[in-house]
Amino acid sequence: KQEVTQIPAALSVPEGENLVLNCSFTDSAIYNLQWFRQDPGKGLTSLLLIQSSQREQTSGRLNASLDKSSGRSTLYIAASQPGDSATYLCAVKASGSRLTFGEGTQLTVNP
Amino acid sequence: DGGITQSPKYLFRKEGQNVTLSCEQNLNHDAMYWYRQDPGQGLRLIYYSQIVNDFQKGDIAEGYSVSREKKESFPLTVTSAQKNPTAFYLCASSIKTGLNSPLHFGNGTRLTVT
Repeated sequence: KQEVTQIPAALSVPEGENLVLNCSFTDSAIYNLQWFRQDPGKGLTSLLLIQSSQREQTSGRLNASLDKSSGRSTLYIAASQPGDSATYLCAVKASGSRLTFGEGTQLTVNP
Repeated sequence: DGGITQSPKYLFRKEGQNVTLSCEQNLNHDAMYWYRQDPGQGLRLIYYSQIVNDFQKGDIAEGYSVSREKKESFPLTVTSAQKNPTAFYLCASSIKTGLNSPLHFGNGTRLTVT
């Protein structure tokens, strides 16, 4: 059974700092990995989707990497801003149409 | 604007009552999903539907029911058989259930049962 773990559970940084969020998964036979952002009381917004054949994806200040063999992904956020404060979730698709989600990392960027 | 609409945002019910959560999408997506989110936990899949008039159980389907009579709509009924119904419910859709179709989410319904 696929399990997804995100470390740390919470992170607080000063504005302007570069930071890395981690996601690990137990079954390396995945089709893709998706990073989402969730604001309090809201739904999830898709940030980046990395296909299994890809090593990384970039969108603005965000860069996500994927190492299938080691079962790891990282989300790098450059020059963090208070508006980046949210919970970040990763999810992997291993088979069929099901995604397995991690528990998320709650990020706070302090002005 | 295209998107997924969940209503209501907050819902309160007494124990023993069935309640139906609405999910409507105008993205012309084939696949729709229902997830449950509890504090400090990841999302768990309740039901999903790949096409009209067809749906499959997810990981925690017990105590829930769904229908998919129209492409745009995928309502979820939380029945009195669901032991711990209080949670945040999220509806999602994707173009198809293909391998690399990203999910789009609604803003959720917070259900409180007392």
